[in-house]
Amino acid sequence: GNSVTQMEGPVTLSEEAFLTINCTYTATGYPSLFWYVQYPGEGLQLLLKATKADDKGSNKGFEATYRKETTSFHLEKGSVQVSDSAVYFCALIDDYKLSFGAGTTVTVRA
Amino acid sequence: KAGVTQTPRYLIKTRGQQVTLSCSPISGHRSVSWYQQTPGQGLQFLFEYFSETQRNKGNFPGRFSGRQFSNSRSEMNVSTLELGDSALYLCASSGGGRTEAFFGQGTRLTVV
Repeated sequence: GNSVTQMEGPVTLSEEAFLTINCTYTATGYPSLFWYVQYPGEGLQLLLKATKADDKGSNKGFEATYRKETTSFHLEKGSVQVSDSAVYFCALIDDYKLSFGAGTTVTVRA
Repeated sequence: KAGVTQTPRYLIKTRGQQVTLSCSPISGHRSVSWYQQTPGQGLQFLFEYFSETQRNKGNFPGRFSGRQFSNSRSEMNVSTLELGDSALYLCASSGGGRTEAFFGQGTRLTVV
């Protein structure tokens, strides 16, 4: 079946540091890929998406590129802020169902 | 445009009781899906509905059920509650297919 594997956290960074969260997937075919973010006490917010190979999704300074060759969709941000502290989930959709990674907790210190 | 609305936000129930959770999707969205989030198991898919038809179902016992109404609003029901059903239940709506899903704030269910 389809699955998503994320790098384990937690990740602690200083403000303005570079953030990378690794995500790889296993799927039949070429599903759409997503990154969601969850702030404490809230639901999931869509951060960015990519629907086909080599697509780059971007939003709020975050970027991720759909890499078919390496079955990866790594999330990056060049300069994080304290407000980026949250849990990040990589996901794919197939057969009307989202499959999520375990989530990576990111804490950014001032 | 209003987002996905889930009610209630918090719920405390006793073992053996049943509970119904409600979800109103974004206007125009016909697909509604439900997920359970727990610290141990993460985010797990419960079921998905499109135009009142269940198109996919996750690996949960029959105590978990759902339905969708003609206005796309959806409910999920859990009967004979167990302590392990304590979780954040998230509803998501989308236009269907491979498009992105938008989530509500969730219902926090605590079973005591």
